[in-house]
Amino acid sequence: AQSVTQLDSQVPVFEEAPVELRCNYSSSVSVYLFWYVQYPNQGLQLLLKYLSGSTLVKGINGFEAEFNKSQTSFHLRKPSVHISDTAEYFCAVSDRGAQKLVFGQGTRLTINP
Amino acid sequence: DAGVIQSPRHEVTEMGQEVTLRCKPISGHNSLFWYRQTMMRGLELLIYFNNNVPIDDSGMPEDRFSAKMPNASFSTLKIQPSEPRDSAVYFCASSLDRGLGEAFFGQGTRLTVV
Repeated sequence: AQSVTQLDSQVPVFEEAPVELRCNYSSSVSVYLFWYVQYPNQGLQLLLKYLSGSTLVKGINGFEAEFNKSQTSFHLRKPSVHISDTAEYFCAVSDRGAQKLVFGQGTRLTINP
Repeated sequence: DAGVIQSPRHEVTEMGQEVTLRCKPISGHNSLFWYRQTMMRGLELLIYFNNNVPIDDSGMPEDRFSAKMPNASFSTLKIQPSEPRDSAVYFCASSLDRGLGEAFFGQGTRLTVV
């Protein structure tokens, strides 16, 4: 069964600093990969997704992620964070042709002024 | 479209009572998912439907939980009887493409069982 590991439960950074949130998944079969963001008391919103093609994927709010098949990773990055990026970020994976989205435990990103 | 609509947003109930959570997916979406979020276990998929048919309910914790989707625009998740350990935020999500696209989430129902 698929599993997703988000290596950091919390990441504190200063405003305008770069950030990387790490995500590794278990399966070596073809997968679709997603990053979602959850603001306080809200549902999850899609940040970006990798389905095929270029391994560097750009999403909303200046975020991007790179798919690395050999390392089974899909790390999320932003070159300069803003206070409004404070939220919880979830990595998710689904096997191609399957319906199930399996989520990681989430990483809480805290931006300090 | 208003997005995925869940009701109620908050529910407080006493142990042993029946609880029903409701979800209206985005019009035209053919897949619907129920997730539960807790601090301890994170986001867990409870059950998902495709074209109103339950496809995988392996995440449903026990027989006290049941879910239905009588038509393409409505689903319920019922807990009977409820227990304090059922306290969590329950999310409904819907998607259009089978295994391809993103899932759109509702705002969630925060359930507290006392």
